[in-house]
Amino acid sequence: NAGVTQTPKFQVLKTGQSMTLQCAQDMNHEYMSWYRQDPGMGLRLIHYSVGAGITDQGEVPNGYNVSRSTTEDFPLRLLSAAPSQTSVYFCASRRDIQNEKLFFGSGTQLSVL
Amino acid sequence: DAKTTQPNSMESNEEEPVHLPCNHSTISGTDYIHWYRQLPSQGPEYVIHGLTSNVNNRMASLAIAEDRKSSTLILHRATLRDAAVYYCILPGLTGANSKLTFGKGITLSVRP
Repeated sequence: NAGVTQTPKFQVLKTGQSMTLQCAQDMNHEYMSWYRQDPGMGLRLIHYSVGAGITDQGEVPNGYNVSRSTTEDFPLRLLSAAPSQTSVYFCASRRDIQNEKLFFGSGTQLSVL
Repeated sequence: DAKTTQPNSMESNEEEPVHLPCNHSTISGTDYIHWYRQLPSQGPEYVIHGLTSNVNNRMASLAIAEDRKSSTLILHRATLRDAAVYYCILPGLTGANSKLTFGKGITLSVRP
């Protein structure tokens, strides 16, 4: 199993550009989520999903959109990138059963100029 | 989700035991306690979890207070590779309550 796969690993955008960060898991996990991590900060939850067609906001959802059309994929969209969105982004997944552990991707480092 | 509080940082010497604390005074009876760690430039990885009893695995031990309001992650012999950020979280129930939030964690430094 590949686990949780994030692409791209690195991305540089100009202010106002749009892009989609990809996240895919092959473990048939119902729960998927996106976090951002800024220097010296912990992980902050952006959006999460408990199954296909179901998404909800986390702590810092502004400026980001998500959708969940399949169990495997949970893309994160930046419609108009801003320098404040420069960060490292992590996708995570788990089975939607109490006490199941989270599996994380290796991250996407995004710079917005 | 129930909140957790951890010190910002701790230091240890190589090959000595390390005790990383976590307070979770509002924990509910069904909340499991999970620990994750994040090595430099990597995504977090699972370390250990428990409910009431102390737990051991190849990576670490988890000691849970009798009232469950605090727990301690124990690394029996710290190595330089254990230098990381350690997070304590309470995943809680699933479904609509699935906001798995992390704090800043404890930054562990290991001295040679």
